[in-house]
Amino acid sequence: NAGVTQTPKFQVLKTGQSMTLQCAQDMNHNSMYWYRQDPGMGLRLIYYSASEGTTDKGEVPNGYNVSRLNKREFSLRLESAAPSQTSVYFCASILSGVNEQFFGPGTRLTVL
Amino acid sequence: EDQVTQSPEALRLQEGESSSLNCSYTVSGLRGLFWYRQDPGKGPEFLFTLYSAGEEKEKERLKATLTKKESFLHITAPKPEDSATYLCAVQANSGYALNFGKGTSLLVTP
Repeated sequence: NAGVTQTPKFQVLKTGQSMTLQCAQDMNHNSMYWYRQDPGMGLRLIYYSASEGTTDKGEVPNGYNVSRLNKREFSLRLESAAPSQTSVYFCASILSGVNEQFFGPGTRLTVL
Repeated sequence: EDQVTQSPEALRLQEGESSSLNCSYTVSGLRGLFWYRQDPGKGPEFLFTLYSAGEEKEKERLKATLTKKESFLHITAPKPEDSATYLCAVQANSGYALNFGKGTSLLVTP
């Protein structure tokens, strides 16, 4: 039982490049989330998927797209990376309702 | 708009010196308040969920309490391994998302 896994762990991009961050969970959770964490800003929600087949915008969705590929996987895509997207990205999942969110180890992204 | 404010931003304690971290919140109907611990370079690790005012939960040297406006994380006789950033988050009745505070960075020295 690996919990929530994220790939890659580190990535450096040039401005304008695109990439997809991958997230998978093996806990049969229904809801999945993408956050970014910046110094002094705390964790901010980018997008979430309450259940398979649905996605919704969070607090900071601009410049990102998501895909809930199946119940296990939730990917985050940057179509044209910008330096302002330099951050640490965390994926999380939750079974349902008011239960704890389980977080992945994070992807550290630098956009030059 | 939901808001979560944590204080202090940073706290330095000597081993054995008990203290409390504060999380003040405003939310339109509280579904749950969560405490997480985050070590450098890692994802947040779940500690507690509190659902209603008056509720308390304990785990080892940590005790979380909840009122209608704030939550406290009490640390009793801390050890150096308790050094981490502690995050507070609220979930409203109306949604699925968690709204996080900016965290309190705790350093416990021997």
